[in-house]
Amino acid sequence: NAGVTQTPKFQVLKTGQSMTLQCAQDMNHNSMYWYRQDPGMGLRLIYYSASEGTTDKGEVPNGYNVSRLNKREFSLRLESAAPSQTSVYFCASSEDRLLNSPLHFGNGTRLTVT
Amino acid sequence: AQTVTQSQPEMSVQEAETVTLSCTYDTSESNYYLFWYKQPPSRQMILVIRQEAYKQQNATENRFSVNFQKAAKSFSLKISDSQLGDTAMYFCAFMKASGTYKYIFGTGTRLKVLA
Repeated sequence: NAGVTQTPKFQVLKTGQSMTLQCAQDMNHNSMYWYRQDPGMGLRLIYYSASEGTTDKGEVPNGYNVSRLNKREFSLRLESAAPSQTSVYFCASSEDRLLNSPLHFGNGTRLTVT
Repeated sequence: AQTVTQSQPEMSVQEAETVTLSCTYDTSESNYYLFWYKQPPSRQMILVIRQEAYKQQNATENRFSVNFQKAAKSFSLKISDSQLGDTAMYFCAFMKASGTYKYIFGTGTRLKVLA
């Protein structure tokens, strides 16, 4: 059981470049999330998707876009990368909040923007 | 808006000893869920324990237990018989039981277990 798969694991971008972080889950979860983790800041929610076809902003959405392609996949796009977006990015999914489902995380993507 | 505060950026404990990590939160909700996640050096986030706010009984999972004080809005994690493999970053998280699906995380406590 793969769980939540994120690609790539590492990425270095130059300021202004674009890229898409891919995330897929094989647990048939409805909800999916993108977080960023920065030292001393914990995990901050960028975007989330409660179900296929819906997305909503989290705490720090500026500079990002997302696509819930289908129930399995939820991608995060940086259109014009900035050094402030240097971070570790986590994708997560959960089954259903009514069942008190915890988050299942991918292994993270370490992104450096120079 | 909900907030989660972990006031201990770093802690250390001797192997086999007991350590308690603190977490407080602020909310006007009456029903919600609380979680502790562990992030070892591998970076993988792992669920340690969860607590439903409507349950008075404190959750336990093997060597991990919580002290949930709803009136004080406190949710501390106790690790008994600490092991070297417990060395990790620990995050407290809050999720309200209605409305949006957002989990709010604290800033984390880095725990080091000493041999």
